[in-house]
Amino acid sequence: IAGITQAPTSQILAAGRRMTLRCTQDMRHNAMYWYRQDLGLGLRLIHYSNTAGTTGKGEVPDGYSVSRANTDDFPLTLASAVPSQTSVYFCASRRDRDSPLHFGNGTRLTVT
Amino acid sequence: LAKITQPISMDSYEGQEVNITCSHNNIATNDYITWYQQFPSQGPRFIIQGYKTKVTNEVASLFIPADRKSSTLSLPRVSLSDTAVYYCLVARNTNAGKSTFGDGTTLTVKP
Repeated sequence: IAGITQAPTSQILAAGRRMTLRCTQDMRHNAMYWYRQDLGLGLRLIHYSNTAGTTGKGEVPDGYSVSRANTDDFPLTLASAVPSQTSVYFCASRRDRDSPLHFGNGTRLTVT
Repeated sequence: LAKITQPISMDSYEGQEVNITCSHNNIATNDYITWYQQFPSQGPRFIIQGYKTKVTNEVASLFIPADRKSSTLSLPRVSLSDTAVYYCLVARNTNAGKSTFGDGTTLTVKP
């Protein structure tokens, strides 16, 4: 079934450690996104990529980095995790600017 | 970016029509409106999208007045399985990064 695969499903991480959240889509969508979802704050955009080779900052980019080496993959890296990065992270993609977002099922990250 | 306001929660009964309104007072000319549904431990799922007037698909209708400062998601004859969180998204179709989600409306459908 076509869609977005995120890994891992959940992770407990010690503060200060480096972590990469993986996101792969098989729909050949041009644009990809990373959101974090916190209770009472809805979904907030971290970083996005309009096409392979380009990235941009969203609403809450500090502490996170992304890369887009190819169309299918859009990893999110926390260089040195902090407890405030405890959240559920969703990867999303869309075919073009007029298309709706398709979301993965999320990665639940706990930083202790 | 548009500031989004949605009711925090709503209750309904099976078979009723449910209308959830989203306020986006400073929506821009190029912004469009999308609604998503989210169940626990899942990612949001697309319901409907529109720019102005009325849009209808097999599961919902979206009403957008002429001034576009609000939008209303209408779910006809809800069932227990419609219990979920509903998000309004206002996004610009000229820049993929310019988008704002509302904080979500928790709809509880009772038997």
